[in-house]
Amino acid sequence: DTEVTQTPKHLVMGMTNKKSLKCEQHMGHRAMYWYKQKAKKPPELMFVYSYEKLSINESVPSRFSPECPNSSLLNLHLHALQPEDSALYLCASSQDLLSPLNTEAFFGQGTRLTVV
Amino acid sequence: AQKVTQAQTEISVVEKEDVTLDCVYETRDTTYYLFWYKQPPSGELVFLIRRNSFDEQNEISGRYSWNFQKSTSSFNFTITASQVVDSAVYFCALSKTNTGNQFYFGTGTSLTVIP
Repeated sequence: DTEVTQTPKHLVMGMTNKKSLKCEQHMGHRAMYWYKQKAKKPPELMFVYSYEKLSINESVPSRFSPECPNSSLLNLHLHALQPEDSALYLCASSQDLLSPLNTEAFFGQGTRLTVV
Repeated sequence: AQKVTQAQTEISVVEKEDVTLDCVYETRDTTYYLFWYKQPPSGELVFLIRRNSFDEQNEISGRYSWNFQKSTSSFNFTITASQVVDSAVYFCALSKTNTGNQFYFGTGTSLTVIP
């Protein structure tokens, strides 16, 4: 199983809503990532978790709140978003941040978020 | 600083033609990884290849081949006998060895294969 599953696939939310994006993998990977991708742009790293601990936060606004409840799950909690936050949010996982045998990252299909 | 440049924004080819996607990178690290990912319209990024900075051997996988030249900081990707299913956006990416898969992506090349 080399699958990273993201739910929901599409989400429309108002600026006052609170919603969560979910990501799940069962490959035993201990590193998980959130990327944001605007239309016709490359993905940009938001957060990295290593062994369920936040390792990297790329200066992301606090209206995005990540959570890693266990080694298989990664959430992204959304609150008071702006229309410019509309994008494809991609989750990824890889074996380990620190291992020299670190493998490639596997990406999910993403959640297409529209903020109205 | 890390930087990946994909100068070709969009390419169109007719089916069965060969096509090469260019990737040039900048890094001061001596050890790093280079990747190619394919992003079809469905959105997910599909891993194609990973190369570490000490392995300059070219690689062929079916219709795909990669040419890594450290002297010119290039990691080009060739699709032979292109097919409609190859239509996608292709990203070249760089990762530092000690930061897992914290990618520095190029801006991507949108490939359209015309039947």
